[in-house]
Amino acid sequence: EPEVTQTPSHQVTQMGQEVILRCVPISNHLYFYWYRQILGQKVEFLVSFYNNEISEKSEIFDDQFSVERPDGSNFTLKIRSTKLEDSAMYFCASSLSGPYNEQFFGPGTRLTVL
Amino acid sequence: AQSVTQPDIHITVSEGASLELRCNYSYGATPYLFWYVQSPGQGLQLLLKYFSGDTLVQGIKGFEAEFKRSQSSFNLRKPSVHWSDAAEYFCAVVQSGGSYIPTFGRGTSLIVHP
Repeated sequence: EPEVTQTPSHQVTQMGQEVILRCVPISNHLYFYWYRQILGQKVEFLVSFYNNEISEKSEIFDDQFSVERPDGSNFTLKIRSTKLEDSAMYFCASSLSGPYNEQFFGPGTRLTVL
Repeated sequence: AQSVTQPDIHITVSEGASLELRCNYSYGATPYLFWYVQSPGQGLQLLLKYFSGDTLVQGIKGFEAEFKRSQSSFNLRKPSVHWSDAAEYFCAVVQSGGSYIPTFGRGTSLIVHP
């Protein structure tokens, strides 16, 4: 069964450093998403991406964040200058035909900012 | 701003017992409503969703949810819980007719006793 994969599973970085979180969505899916979950708190939507453009973004997704689909298989989230409060689990998801159809989530990348 | 409340942080049930997880939302119009399950170490999985029509919706794994407009609620139910249902459950809301920017509840952790 096809699945969304994410690498690395755990990333530790120093405050102020740039990080890139990688995701491989399901191959025939066209819509891609990033969410985050701060430990013990609710899931938060960050951004959706379709046709090489951001479709929607939340207030959290400020200029420190960017997304890219650098090739036909990867979908990345970059945080330019990490802050302590960026420590969270980051989930990638993909869907075949729009956000209201079922989104398939990856297992997440735990980001720890020291 | 829309908000989602899951009043129960933890719920403990015995295997075979019935289950109801509560979700209340605060929003002027009828939103789109979702329930997700998150097993340990995994991403979210969609259980069911409500957009319009029949207010009782059936989902996967034997779950159902009922939309009650008068109570602004979308409670998740299962008649007989299995040990494998132990997980975190999230309710989410999206403004209908607007942008896809979901708001999630804080989650309810389900513990199942044998």
